Amino acid sequence: ELKVEQNPLFLSMQEGKNYTIYCNYSTTSDRLYWYRQDPGKSLESLFVLLSNGAVKQEGRLMASLDTKARLSTLHITAAVHDLSATYFCAVERVRDDKIIFGKGTRLHILP
Amino acid sequence: DAGVTQSPTHLIKTRGQQVTLRCSPKSGHDTVSWYQQALGQGPQFIFQYYEEEERQRGNFPDRFSGHQFPNYSSELNVNALLLGDSALYLCASSGTGSSGNTIYFGEGSWLTVV
Repeated sequence: ELKVEQNPLFLSMQEGKNYTIYCNYSTTSDRLYWYRQDPGKSLESLFVLLSNGAVKQEGRLMASLDTKARLSTLHITAAVHDLSATYFCAVERVRDDKIIFGKGTRLHILP
Repeated sequence: DAGVTQSPTHLIKTRGQQVTLRCSPKSGHDTVSWYQQALGQGPQFIFQYYEEEERQRGNFPDRFSGHQFPNYSSELNVNALLLGDSALYLCASSGTGSSGNTIYFGEGSWLTVV
């Protein structure tokens, strides 16, 4: 059974600092997603990572994928308050036709 | 180009009642998946519809059922509502044969069972 684990689950950090969220998954996957969710809102797609060594960056966020280690990271550079949200990692195996989500990381950035 | 649209956005039901949630996929998409997100949790896969048939199902009881129409839109039905069914219900659409780079989620339907 495919399982996805994120850590940390809660993170409080100050503006200007760097930090990394980790996502481990239990079996081989075809696609890995990162989503952002603001309170009371739906999911906003951030990144889709398809292959080993894939790295994508958007603003202060950078995601990477190591399929051999079954690990993805979401790195936050020089955090700003607007990045406060819950971040989900999700893994898809095409043959299963479904996405399995991690429990999410609640990120709170102090101004 | 409209994305994934869901209705209603919010609703309140009483225990034991039945509810129907609706989803229209993004233009060009033919596959619809439904997820339940309880407060403070990650979304949980309910089921997926393709070619009007349920193709994959998560660990949800038979009280949860669905349907897909020829125009690819979909409904999620929940019977005999329990307090624990209170959640955000998300619809996601995707296209077969696509690169699969992005699965699109709707804004969700907030269900409160009282």
